[in-house]
Amino acid sequence: AQSVTQPDIHITVSEGASLELRCNYSYGATPYLFWYVQSPGQGLQLLLKYFSGDTLVQGIKGFEAEFKRSQSSFNLRKPSVHWSDAAEYFCAVGGGYQKVTFGTGTKLQVIP
Amino acid sequence: DAGVIQSPRHEVTEMGQEVTLRCKPISGHNSLFWYRQTMMRGLELLIYFNNNVPIDDSGMPEDRFSAKMPNASFSTLKIQPSEPRDSAVYFCASSSPQPGLASQGNEQFFGPGTRLTVL
Repeated sequence: AQSVTQPDIHITVSEGASLELRCNYSYGATPYLFWYVQSPGQGLQLLLKYFSGDTLVQGIKGFEAEFKRSQSSFNLRKPSVHWSDAAEYFCAVGGGYQKVTFGTGTKLQVIP
Repeated sequence: DAGVIQSPRHEVTEMGQEVTLRCKPISGHNSLFWYRQTMMRGLELLIYFNNNVPIDDSGMPEDRFSAKMPNASFSTLKIQPSEPRDSAVYFCASSSPQPGLASQGNEQFFGPGTRLTVL
């Protein structure tokens, strides 16, 4: 069965610092991988996705993620974090017809 | 364009009462998903529909929960009778097929959620 692990429940970074959120997945074939962001009181919004091709994926709001098959990872990165990036981030893997499995999320706190 | 619309945004009810949550997907989307989010269990897929037909309801917690999609523009999630442990935020999401892309890669568009409190 497919699964997603986000090992960090909560991360705090200083504004302007770089960010990396970890995601590991389990899936029997080439997965579809997603990162979503959830601001407080809001639904989830897609940041980026990978399904084939270049393993470095660019997304909205300056985020990128790299698919590493050998490590079963799809880590999210941003070179310089802004206060508005404070939110909860969800990694997800797709498999089966239209079914997507979400990780437990990582809450990002940004300090001045 | 209007996004996914959910109503009500907040619902407070007493244990034993029937609760109905409503969702209007984005026009043209052919898949609809119901999720539940809690602190303890995170984001759980309850059920999803494709072309108004339920495809997988294995996430529905028990018989007290039921979902319908009578047409392409409307879905309901009903809890009868409700219990305090049903308190959560319930999200509806929709997606559409994209040319050249397998269905598993479709972006899901989420509604703002309904915060349910069962006393």
